[in-house]
Amino acid sequence: DVKVTQSSRYLVKRTGEKVFLECVQDMDHENMFWYRQDPGLGLRLIYFSYDVKMKEKGDIPEGYSVSREKKERFSLILESASTNQTSMYLCASRPSGSYNEQFFGPGTRLTVL
Amino acid sequence: AQKITQTQPGMFVQEKEAVTLDCTYDTSDPSYGLFWYKQPSSGEMIFLIYQGSYDQQNATEGRYSLNFQKARKSANLVISASQLGDSAMYFCAMRGSYNQGGKLIFGQGTELSVKP
Repeated sequence: DVKVTQSSRYLVKRTGEKVFLECVQDMDHENMFWYRQDPGLGLRLIYFSYDVKMKEKGDIPEGYSVSREKKERFSLILESASTNQTSMYLCASRPSGSYNEQFFGPGTRLTVL
Repeated sequence: AQKITQTQPGMFVQEKEAVTLDCTYDTSDPSYGLFWYKQPSSGEMIFLIYQGSYDQQNATEGRYSLNFQKARKSANLVISASQLGDSAMYFCAMRGSYNQGGKLIFGQGTELSVKP
């Protein structure tokens, strides 16, 4: 079974803090994605990575950065958290050569106070 | 631009009845893929069904079937014999362009409630 794990299910941070959201997949997938989910907006892509140390901006990258030092791990970083970044964050992975199913982690619900 | 539209924010269905969740899409790419995901209250995204743009037949997976009407650009999900465990948020998604890693473009979602 493909497994995508995220470091926290729930996270509460204060405005201005640096926040790290970690995602790990165990299926040797080349492609990894970070999405943000907000009510009425569905999921929107923040960043994706198609290889180690490679990253590309998605649709809403402002206020976020990412890091992929190892193939299995893709980190989302909020340099200075703001209240409008309160949201559900979902990580996903997909093998290269297949443009089909993406496998999702359980999500991290982040609250910024 | 590619876009997915789900016009039903919420729906109710009686247990054991069938229900159709609507999804329309817009793309100029001749090759695309359409997905449905289920998200229970626990938050995880569960893949349900996939339809490729060149697939001749409508996709089916157990109680799930995708009513693919290419000319109308619609990809409705049909759930037969609804169960209480089907209560969840349902998202329609389209595979985006290859130069964006094949990202998924999601609709707004439909919240389905199954009544006993």
